[in-house]
Amino acid sequence: EVRLVQSGAEVKKPGESLKISCQASGYRFSDYWMAWVRQVPGRGLEWIGIIHPADSDSRHSPSFQGQVTLSVDKSTDTAYLQWTSLKPSDTAIYYCARLMTRDYFQFWGQGTLLTVSS
Amino acid sequence: SFVLTQPPSVSVAPGKTATITCGGSSIGSSVHWYQQKPGQAPELVIRYDDDRPSGIPERFSGSNSGYTATLTISRVEAGDEADYFCQVWERSSDQVIFGGGTKLTVL
Repeated sequence: EVRLVQSGAEVKKPGESLKISCQASGYRFSDYWMAWVRQVPGRGLEWIGIIHPADSDSRHSPSFQGQVTLSVDKSTDTAYLQWTSLKPSDTAIYYCARLMTRDYFQFWGQGTLLTVSS
Repeated sequence: SFVLTQPPSVSVAPGKTATITCGGSSIGSSVHWYQQKPGQAPELVIRYDDDRPSGIPERFSGSNSGYTATLTISRVEAGDEADYFCQVWERSSDQVIFGGGTKLTVL
């Protein structure tokens, strides 16, 4: 059974850094692209980017390019999404999702709620 | 940039058929649909325009005319009440595009 388990909710202040995680199980981690998606509560889905665990090849939405960093740790089958300086506008739920092919999101994590407030 | 347009809301009585549209200037790529219930992560309900993943009821079906994709839910149940999002992978820009989402209300 494929499972994506994300790290817990975070409350941060503007300017702080953060790295959230998504641990995969039930399949060969290096075989499938992993994506990150943002959802402001009550709003729609926004694609952040994708990363391939085998070689860390990545693609970003222009809206998020330079704002976040995607990374993986193949030794622990974990994908990461990182910020160096958070803003209140980063407040949202962040989902990781495994791609079947570079077409659609087949499996989703449970989401990580990030709140950025002074 | 490419935009997918969905109606903000659709209402339907139990047992009736719900139709949710997803329009673009030209949907050259396949369209995929996700259901998101309150407090839950999205779930894939239709892939490649009209293919239903294992475990999704036959009541869910999809189609794509090239300009408008449609998600149809037959014999709607109370448990179908959710937000529905369409999605394409825009090949020319290698970008993922989501529609704005449609809230399905079961009356």
